[in-house]
Amino acid sequence: QKEVEQNSGPLSVPEGAIASLNCTYSDRVSQSFFWYRQYSGKSPELIMSIYSNGDKEDGRFTAQLNKASQYVSLLIRDSQPSDSATYLCAVKVWDGGSQGNLIFGKGTKLSVKP
Amino acid sequence: DAGVTQSPTHLIKTRGQQVTLRCSPKSGHDTVSWYQQALGQGPQFIFQYYEEEERQRGNFPDRFSGHQFPNYSSELNVNALLLGDSALYLCASSFGQAGELFFGEGSRLTVL
Repeated sequence: QKEVEQNSGPLSVPEGAIASLNCTYSDRVSQSFFWYRQYSGKSPELIMSIYSNGDKEDGRFTAQLNKASQYVSLLIRDSQPSDSATYLCAVKVWDGGSQGNLIFGKGTKLSVKP
Repeated sequence: DAGVTQSPTHLIKTRGQQVTLRCSPKSGHDTVSWYQQALGQGPQFIFQYYEEEERQRGNFPDRFSGHQFPNYSSELNVNALLLGDSALYLCASSFGQAGELFFGEGSRLTVL
């Protein structure tokens, strides 16, 4: 059973701090990793994708991937109250050579306090 | 540039009824995937349509079926509704089966 695990939170950080969100996955052949942000009552919005080991930076967001440890993280620098949302980690799993589908974690709820 | 659009946005059904949800993909996208998101959970993959055929399917019963039309739009049908089918149903489109997914706003189904 392929699984994606996230701490459900809530994770509370003060405005301006760094928020660190973590995700582990069980499938060793997973190739692509994604972070989605979901505001309450809204649909998921893609904010970062990462495909190779190391760090990928986009503005205030940095995704980190360690395939050997089956671990992916998202850092949000200079957190703002508008970053308060649920962050979903998703992993694309390749199944027998066919195109993969996304498996999501349950999400981590982030609250940024002014 | 229109994003992914879904209809209806909200609907209420009773147990045993049938429901059809509709999705128009983002302009330029040819692949549609459907997800079910229960309250407090992450989205669960239902199935994916490409070239008017179901290409992949998640762990959902045959009560869940779908269709893709020549213009790439898609429908999700659920028969014999159960209380547990109450959820947010998300449509996501992509360019190709391996492309990045862009989600619509969802259809919130309540089964009474």
